[in-house]
Amino acid sequence: AQSVTQPDIHITVSEGASLELRCNYSYGATPYLFWYVQSPGQGLQLLLKYFSGDTLVQGIKGFEAEFKRSQSSFNLRKPSVHWSDAAEYFCAVGTLNRDDKIIFGKGTRLHILP
Amino acid sequence: EAQVTQNPRYLITVTGKKLTVTCSQNMNHEYMSWYRQDPGLGLRQIYYSMNVEVTDKGDVPEGYKVSRKEKRNFPLILESPSPNQTSLYFCASSSDLLAKNIQYFGAGTRLSVL
Repeated sequence: AQSVTQPDIHITVSEGASLELRCNYSYGATPYLFWYVQSPGQGLQLLLKYFSGDTLVQGIKGFEAEFKRSQSSFNLRKPSVHWSDAAEYFCAVGTLNRDDKIIFGKGTRLHILP
Repeated sequence: EAQVTQNPRYLITVTGKKLTVTCSQNMNHEYMSWYRQDPGLGLRQIYYSMNVEVTDKGDVPEGYKVSRKEKRNFPLILESPSPNQTSLYFCASSSDLLAKNIQYFGAGTRLSVL
């Protein structure tokens, strides 16, 4: 089975600064990787996903993530954050094995300084 | 509009009083699941369903029941709620087993058991 780790519980950045949220996974084969965002009082919304092909994937709201197999990582990036990006971000790893569930990381809460 | 609808959004109850949280999706999705979200623990899957009349336990099923009599509905039942079930609950759906990794989430139900 797969696992996922988000090393940072909280991250604080200034508005306009760049952002990188870390995600590390463990899985023997090629995983399916996801980033979800949870805005206050809302459910989770899919930001982007990686299944195969180009290792740099673009998502909604100006986010991107890069799959690095050698580092077992799938870090989320944004060149310039906006106050509305303040939310909790979840990395998730899934597989095509029907017996495997999608596994969510414990989340990273992003705070934006004005 | 494609959506997953949970009701109620907020619920305060007392120990032992049976309750049901409803979940409905309008996307004709086969796969549905319930999660609970607790601080520091991220999302944990309670139950999931691959299709009508097919349900299975997730990671934390104790104290919960589900049913899937219709494709669109997947209610979560707490027969005898206890304070340790105070949590934020999310229902989610996916188009099929192979796409189970891409999930659409409801807005959440915040439950307090006194």
